Amino acid sequence: NAGVTQTPKFQVLKTGQSMTLQCAQDMNHEYMSWYRQDPGMGLRLIHYSVGAGITDQGEVPNGYNVSRSTTEDFPLRLLSAAPSQTSVYFCASSYSSGGGGYGYTFGSGTRLTVV
Amino acid sequence: TQLLEQSPQFLSIQEGENLTVYCNSSSVFSSLQWYRQEPGEGPVLLVTVVTGGEVKKLKRLTFQFGDARKDSSLHITAAQPGDTGLYLCAALPSNSGYALNFGKGTSLLVTP
Repeated sequence: NAGVTQTPKFQVLKTGQSMTLQCAQDMNHEYMSWYRQDPGMGLRLIHYSVGAGITDQGEVPNGYNVSRSTTEDFPLRLLSAAPSQTSVYFCASSYSSGGGGYGYTFGSGTRLTVV
Repeated sequence: TQLLEQSPQFLSIQEGENLTVYCNSSSVFSSLQWYRQEPGEGPVLLVTVVTGGEVKKLKRLTFQFGDARKDSSLHITAAQPGDTGLYLCAALPSNSGYALNFGKGTSLLVTP
């Protein structure tokens, strides 16, 4: 089925470890973004990309890196995990930054716990 | 500062009741979207409203965009347990149009 695929679904990390959250979409969307969702905080933008080779920071980028070598993939890297990065991470894609009439298509999320 | 303020934060009602949730801002938007998120899943788009005063209906859900395009409401008629979820409004800030800004959501629980 067409959509946004995120892996892994669950992950537990120790403080200081690094890891990559994977995100892939098969809808040929130019725009992709990463959000984190925390209780009482809503969805906050980490990084976004308007096309292959182009990335930029969002509201809460510290401690995260991204790259966009292909239209399909937009991995999120945690450089040195901290307990404050415990959260649920969502990847989203769309035809445009505003979503247009089609909105954003979200993956099912990665639940990350840093101990 | 939260761009989009949603109210109420939580709502618990019985099956068959009607409800309205609100999304307010001091900013003007060219469009506004509503999403529903179920536990363990990502948000799913319900509707996009574009014109001030616009009303859109999706079965028992009625969405309205304010005349001044600063606010929106979602009304559910005869709520059912399947309506349970987190309802999020989202809009693109006019001064930095690089990503949708989301409200914190209204968590709705409909009990049989």
